[in-house]
Amino acid sequence: DAMVIQNPRYQVTQFGKPVTLSCSQTLNHNVMYWYQQKSSQAPKLLFHYYDKDFNNEADTPDNFQSRRPNTSFCFLDIRSPGLGDAAMYLCATSSVLAGGRYEQYFGPGTRLTVT
Amino acid sequence: AQSVTQLGSHVSVSEGALVLLRCNYSSSVPPYLFWYVQYPNQGLQLLLKYTTGATLVKGINGFEAEFKKSETSFHLTKPSAHMSDAAEYFCAVSPNNAGNMLTFGGGTRLMVKP
Repeated sequence: DAMVIQNPRYQVTQFGKPVTLSCSQTLNHNVMYWYQQKSSQAPKLLFHYYDKDFNNEADTPDNFQSRRPNTSFCFLDIRSPGLGDAAMYLCATSSVLAGGRYEQYFGPGTRLTVT
Repeated sequence: AQSVTQLGSHVSVSEGALVLLRCNYSSSVPPYLFWYVQYPNQGLQLLLKYTTGATLVKGINGFEAEFKKSETSFHLTKPSAHMSDAAEYFCAVSPNNAGNMLTFGGGTRLMVKP
């Protein structure tokens, strides 16, 4: 089945220690998104890629970076995690090509704990 | 600009009772509207969507929603709640000319009592 895959599902890192979360998709969608979701809150968009074009949300901290080496993969790098970065990180994809279905497809998320 | 308001951060119903989760939106252009469900420690799953055409849309798990332009609403309903419906529900809006960017409401946690 076509899907969005996130690894790992649970990640523990130490305060200040860089961490990378990964996302892959088999949907061949041209747009990929990273969201941060804190407890009992709505997902908050960090950035998205439209093909290779990177689009950063204005209030996304510089501590968060992303890479998209190809259509299928996208990575979220947190350079120096703080306690406030503990959250669920959601990857999503969508297609904006003609005939696209408009909705975003979400992965299962990676829950990040910072100790 | 667009925004979404979900009235009621927590809704509790008895099993078998009607489920009504409220969503109001504002959008400067005709909107696309979505309801997503999130189970604990899971990603978001699309329940249903309105893009164009029929204003009453049916989704998975027996849910449906009606787009009412005059009321700027897109409330989610289900005639009979099941224990497995307990989850967090998010309403979202996307301008139809903005490449699928979503603005989420704050979410409503649905609790189902036996």
